[in-house]
This record gives sequence, structure tokens and C-alpha cells, in this order.
Amino acid sequence: EAGVAQSPRYKIIEKRQSVAFWCNPISGHATLYWYQQILGQGPKLLIQFQNNGVVDDSQLPKDRFSAERLKGVDSTLKIQPAKLEDSAVYLCASSPYRGDTQYFGPGTRLTVL
Amino acid sequence: AQSVTQPDIHITVSEGASLELRCNYSYGATPYLFWYVQSPGQGLQLLLKYFSGDTLVQGIKGFEAEFKRSQSSFNLRKPSVHWSDAAEYFCAPISGGYNKLIFGAGTRLAVHP
Repeated sequence: EAGVAQSPRYKIIEKRQSVAFWCNPISGHATLYWYQQILGQGPKLLIQFQNNGVVDDSQLPKDRFSAERLKGVDSTLKIQPAKLEDSAVYLCASSPYRGDTQYFGPGTRLTVL
Repeated sequence: AQSVTQPDIHITVSEGASLELRCNYSYGATPYLFWYVQSPGQGLQLLLKYFSGDTLVQGIKGFEAEFKRSQSSFNLRKPSVHWSDAAEYFCAPISGGYNKLIFGAGTRLAVHP
């Protein structure tokens, strides 16, 4: 069974630029999550989708971050404009349903200069 | 407020020695509990999980964890550590209406030969 796929693996941008990350969850998983992991910290949930609907985006900085999950499968997370403090690893995870085990992708390491 | 604490930021053990990583949570009800491991540059891999039933849970790579309701703890143990176990370990309860996974700050394990 293929795992969670993410791209790109690494991205370096200047502050105020925009960036997008892509995630393909495990086939059949209804729930998809985006996490932000700042160096030295545990991952923090940004947004949770159930199929193509948002369940929880309470910690998503909505003035600059946006995410969508069209057709309930792939998802993209966008940052526009990026700030220095957005430098982090962005992890995507999926689970068969809410409350079940989450399976993580390899992450995208973002550096904002 | 719901929270999770991993009191040890760094732990160093010798190869072959036993290991115990501590995790304490603060939740109104018994949460589901997970331990994940993250190797450098890698995503998070599930070690084990507790949903209900037997309070001693076996996981992959020879790890086990014991849920103690009276102490609100879910400590991770391994009887004999291997050099390849060097990584960062995260405890994560899941609870609440949104089934949100809350990660601790992590414990970084170093293994001496």
C-alpha cells in the first residue's frame, strides 16, 4: 500500500513570496491533516478535512494560509505572502476516518529568507 | 485545557541499556494515546497506540507502553536499546469533538555505542 505522498520535499523562498505544497493521501482515507512543525517543537495541526469539507481550521493563520481538498482526495496548502516565521516542516497525514491512526508523509521543509 | 507533557527534552543511553520515555496528559476523559518516532529528515512513524482494553500495549521495533489512568501517564519503554533507535519520540493523545491529535514537545534520544 502506498503511503502519503508530498511534494516538493524542500523549498526555499524569499519573504513575501508565495508557495504551495501538495499532498496525496493514502487511497480511501477520508480524513486529511496538515501540520506545521517548527524546529525543536512537536507538530501543530493547521487544518483537518473530512472528505472535501473543513472540520477544524482553528489554528490556520487565515490571513496568509489557505488550503483546499478538491474531490476529497489530493490537497494543497498555500502560503501567501510568506513570513520568516513560516520556516518549518509542513507535514501531511491521512486516516481512514476521524479518530483513527494518522499516517504521515515525509514532509516539506520550507525555508523563508 | 487539554495538554500533553514530555518532561525529558534529551535522553542519552548506552546501546543495550533499557529505556523509558515519559508522557503525561491532561484531559477530562481518557483519550486515545499514540507514540510516534521521527528520524532525522523523515516523517512520523507510528510506534504504538492505545484505544482501550489491555493497558500494556506492544508496538513495533520492540517498544511497549503502559497506560496508567491514575497517573495520567503513557510511558514508552524498551528493554534493550539499539543504535538505530536514536531519533525523536513524540507522545500524542487524541481527544475532543474534532478528534484532534495533540503532540508533546518530543524527547530526543541519543544512543552511545
